[in-house]
Amino acid sequence: QIQLVQSGPELKKPGESVKISCKASGYTFTDYAMHWVKQAPGKGLKWMGWINTYTGKPTYADDFKGRFVFSLEASASTANLQISNLKNEDTATYFCARGPLYHFYWGQGTLVTVSS
Amino acid sequence: DIVMTQTPSSQAVSAGEKVTMSCKSSQSLLYSENKKNYLAWYQQKPGQSPKLLISWASTRESGVPDRFIGSGSGTDFTLTISSVQAEDLAVYYCEQYYDTWTFGGGTKLELK
Repeated sequence: QIQLVQSGPELKKPGESVKISCKASGYTFTDYAMHWVKQAPGKGLKWMGWINTYTGKPTYADDFKGRFVFSLEASASTANLQISNLKNEDTATYFCARGPLYHFYWGQGTLVTVSS
Repeated sequence: DIVMTQTPSSQAVSAGEKVTMSCKSSQSLLYSENKKNYLAWYQQKPGQSPKLLISWASTRESGVPDRFIGSGSGTDFTLTISSVQAEDLAVYYCEQYYDTWTFGGGTKLELK
């Protein structure tokens, strides 16, 4: 069956970096785009962008240009989200979700806590 | 960018009650070529990932109870739960996928 399994929770200090992984299984990884969604504590869902898993080209929503990088380890059917220069407002649960249009398959979410 | 506005932000309901929630987009989500509305509805319970309920504004996903009904076209959409059950208490989000992707702010269903 199709699964997206994300890496575990992270506790980081402001200014540090974090890398979250999303390992896909049960389908051909390069056939479907991978999206990333942010959910701050007690808040709604915010679409961050997506990565073309065939070409590796990322597309970022306006609010996520600069410190956020989507990447792939296609041989391992894994999509990654790296956030650099972490800020308190990056504290959130980050979800990966499979495309291409609406999102049927979601990862379980990775909580990133940024605190000094 | 397309802005999605959901109302109400929260709603107190009793079991068995009929519930409607609204989602409005800042521009039409109806693609003229295929006459499809590029709108989805998700349910999210605390501590869980969102669950897709409805795609294309009104197509219920397999396994989703038929009390969940999506309707609307263009810029105005509605999710109706015909008879709310206790397990339906959750936050509901609409999402447009017509032009990139945008979620609405959510409607939280609470127990009255």
